[in-house]
This record gives sequence, structure tokens and C-alpha cells, in this order.
Amino acid sequence: QLQLQESGSGLVKPSQTLSLTCAVSGGSISSGGYSWSWIRQPPGKGLEWIGYIYHSGSTYYNPSLKRRVTISVDRSKNQFSLKLSSVTAADTALYYCARERDYDLVFDYWGQGTLVTVSS
Amino acid sequence: QSALTQPPSASGSPGQSVTISCTGTISDVGGYNFVSWYQHHPGKAPKLMISEVSKRPSGVPDRFSGSKSGNTASLTVSGLQAEDEADYYCSSYAGSTNWVFGGGTKLTVL
Repeated sequence: QLQLQESGSGLVKPSQTLSLTCAVSGGSISSGGYSWSWIRQPPGKGLEWIGYIYHSGSTYYNPSLKRRVTISVDRSKNQFSLKLSSVTAADTALYYCARERDYDLVFDYWGQGTLVTVSS
Repeated sequence: QSALTQPPSASGSPGQSVTISCTGTISDVGGYNFVSWYQHHPGKAPKLMISEVSKRPSGVPDRFSGSKSGNTASLTVSGLQAEDEADYYCSSYAGSTNWVFGGGTKLTVL
């Protein structure tokens, strides 16, 4: 059974960079046919897709966040990471990592999420 | 404001049926048959319930069904059970490698 687990700093100061990692177990992050996404949910609001890294290493980002987002992969550790720069209070959210299945464009496995608060 | 519009709440008694709507535009729900639904019990990982508008993944009870008409997709839960009480989110592919989600619907089993 595939499992994803987010980790990282839960408190980030405004203007700094948010950094999160998603550890994948029970399967290889290099498997073809899948991409690895970050999705977030601000308090009281809906979900927002942030971006993903394809199994080939190509990255795609939400146009609204593209300027500030970097997603990378560490195949040796079977994990992928999110960096979001120049954060503001609006970036406070529950951050999820998820696997996207390419043939039907669904997110078939998710982590439990990690809360990141932006505050001085 | 979320890209897809869902009612904030829905409810039904055990055994009844409930339908949750998800309204988008021709650029997402109406333009693609890549609508999916997720069940989320707070504190747990969201779970895929419906893919490609109406397909149920293995292990999802057949009480859950999906449909779409125009720019609106729907999730119907028949024969409501206590464990169905959760938040439900719809999602749609929106082209150009982008996905949009709904604001979520809190389903209460009375």
C-alpha cells in the first residue's frame, strides 16, 4: 500500500521560504505513469493545486503560484519537495502531497497533510 | 473563492440518498470528463471515491455514484451510512496541466 507523509517547518516568517518534503513508501517515485503533486487548503477554504513533478523530472505549476514555486525530487530517498518563496499570511494552509495518476488525471493517494502557518 | 462551486453542507438520514453538486465552467467540468470526487475525514488522508465523472475505484461501495450534465457534476450517496459523514470535494482537470477543486461539502448523517 502506497503511503505519503509530509514533513517540514510548521511556522514560517513572512517573506521567507516555506519548505516541505513528502516521503513516499510502498512504491517507487520513479514509476512511470504517475506524477507527484502538492495541494493546499487555506483555513476555511477549498483545495488548491500547487503543482507537480512528473516521473521524468518535468515540473508544472499553478499559474497563480508559478513565480514562487519550486518542486524537486530526490530519487535516492524516494521523496519530493516543495519550496514556496516570499510567503505571506495568505500562504497559511494545510499542505498535502499526493500522487497523480496520468491516465485518468486523479489524485489516487494523499498524505494526511501538514499545517504551515505564516506569522512573525 | 474556489474555482468549482459546491454547497457548503448536505445532510440525510441513514438509508436515504443525498446528492452533492459541483458547478464549474466549460473550461473545466464542462470541457473534460476528468471529474473526480474525494472523501475527507478530518485528520486523515483524502480518499478517491469517483474518477472520470462516474467510475468507482476498487473498494469504493456502489452506494457512491457520479454523473455530469453540462458544467455541473454530481455525487450521489445512496443508502446513507454513519461512516459516510465526511467532507467531500470535487475536482476537475482544467487544461494546460492545471486542476481545480471545489470548496467542499460537509455531509452530515442525521
